[in-house]
Amino acid sequence: GENVEQHPSTLSVQEGDSAVIKCTYSDSTSNYFPWYKQELGKRPQLIIDIRSNVGEKKDQRIAVTLNKTAKHFSLHITETQPEDSAVYFCAAYTGTASKLTFGTGTRLQVTL
Amino acid sequence: NAGVTQTPKFQVLKTGQSMTLQCAQDMNHEYMSWYRQDPGMGLRLIHYSVGAGITDQGEVPNGYNVSRSTTEDFPLRLLSAAPSQTSVYFCASSYSMTGKYSGNTIYFGEGSWLTVV
Repeated sequence: GENVEQHPSTLSVQEGDSAVIKCTYSDSTSNYFPWYKQELGKRPQLIIDIRSNVGEKKDQRIAVTLNKTAKHFSLHITETQPEDSAVYFCAAYTGTASKLTFGTGTRLQVTL
Repeated sequence: NAGVTQTPKFQVLKTGQSMTLQCAQDMNHEYMSWYRQDPGMGLRLIHYSVGAGITDQGEVPNGYNVSRSTTEDFPLRLLSAAPSQTSVYFCASSYSMTGKYSGNTIYFGEGSWLTVV
């Protein structure tokens, strides 16, 4: 089945700096790659997603890139703010198996 | 429109007891799933359903049963609770995850915190 690896597991940046979280996946048939933000004690919330026919997508300070050949995708957060502090999860959806597989998460800490 | 509703929010069970975690959605979503979340391990798929009457196993199905008799409901049953099942459980749903709808937003419930002692 699909395997999603996520790095780093923790990331500390200063306010205003950029943060990058990277994920790799194993199943070449995976075709949908969402990113979720989870605050302590809350449910995961979708922040951005990308489909396999697109290489990059932006939404204000957040962007996601996808390299299908290398089977990796990344989340980029620019001009980080304290409210960006949370755990971020990447995921890969495999249509042939109807399954969404998550990475193990990255704890992002934005310091003042 | 309440979205995805999970009950109970908190539960303490004794080893060997059985219980059902309820999940309901009012968005007419075809796809529903259950995940468990443990520290450092992300969210792992337990069971999922692509429509009423259809269920399938995920990554960690042992010790859990599901059924999907209606589009709205997808209960998760713990047959004989074990301490290893202490976790946070999330139900999630989407309009569809097949064919041209692959890539629809998946909505999560608020979670159910389960402790087995």
